Amino acid sequence: GAVVSQHPSWVICKSGTSVKIECRSLDFQATTMFWYRQFPKQSLMLMATSNEGSKATYEQGVEKDKFLINHASLTLSTLTVTSAHPEDSSFYICSAGRGVSYGYTFGSGTRLTVV
Amino acid sequence: KQEVTQIPAALSVPEGENLVLNCSFTDSAIYNLQWFRQDPGKGLTSLLLIQSSQREQTSGRLNASLDKSSGRSTLYIAASQPGDSATYLCAVRLNDYKLSFGAGTTVTVRA
Repeated sequence: GAVVSQHPSWVICKSGTSVKIECRSLDFQATTMFWYRQFPKQSLMLMATSNEGSKATYEQGVEKDKFLINHASLTLSTLTVTSAHPEDSSFYICSAGRGVSYGYTFGSGTRLTVV
Repeated sequence: KQEVTQIPAALSVPEGENLVLNCSFTDSAIYNLQWFRQDPGKGLTSLLLIQSSQREQTSGRLNASLDKSSGRSTLYIAASQPGDSATYLCAVRLNDYKLSFGAGTTVTVRA
């Protein structure tokens, strides 16, 4: 149990375009999901907390207008990187939890390359 | 602010040797601690979850201990195999449900 599916696994886009990444909890409902960013050989940096039915909470320094998060249902959160630039190239990972006794489950990640 | 440190940053051992990975954190008021494995270019796989009231958790060749008062956790991997080569991350959860991650320990097990 506790499977989180993330798509796409990798995407290449042109500078100035937008890219949407999906995160789904397949066998449980998640009122809260998390989006992380990871640079090469570095640890995960929390970008935002996605709340079902309400606005996302962004960490300090993360641009809300660039990284749009929508959590429209209990099993789906999306991250849209708007007007992407090469510096947005990174590895993005989402996570969700079933409850405090279970810890968090992570998606397989999305490698975004902006050219 | 919670700071999580993992030592060593990298570790290379011959197959069959036991692995000891360390994680320390500055704020002992944690809710739980989770160990993850990450393969290159992949997401995170949860290995063990230790609640704040627990001292250790075991799963197969893996054993993790937690000393909340001293802010330390150790992950032991017995009889290492080449397939254990990966980066191991520890993450602590405070009561605000966010995770704070260490930078990881990259393990190489030589055949």
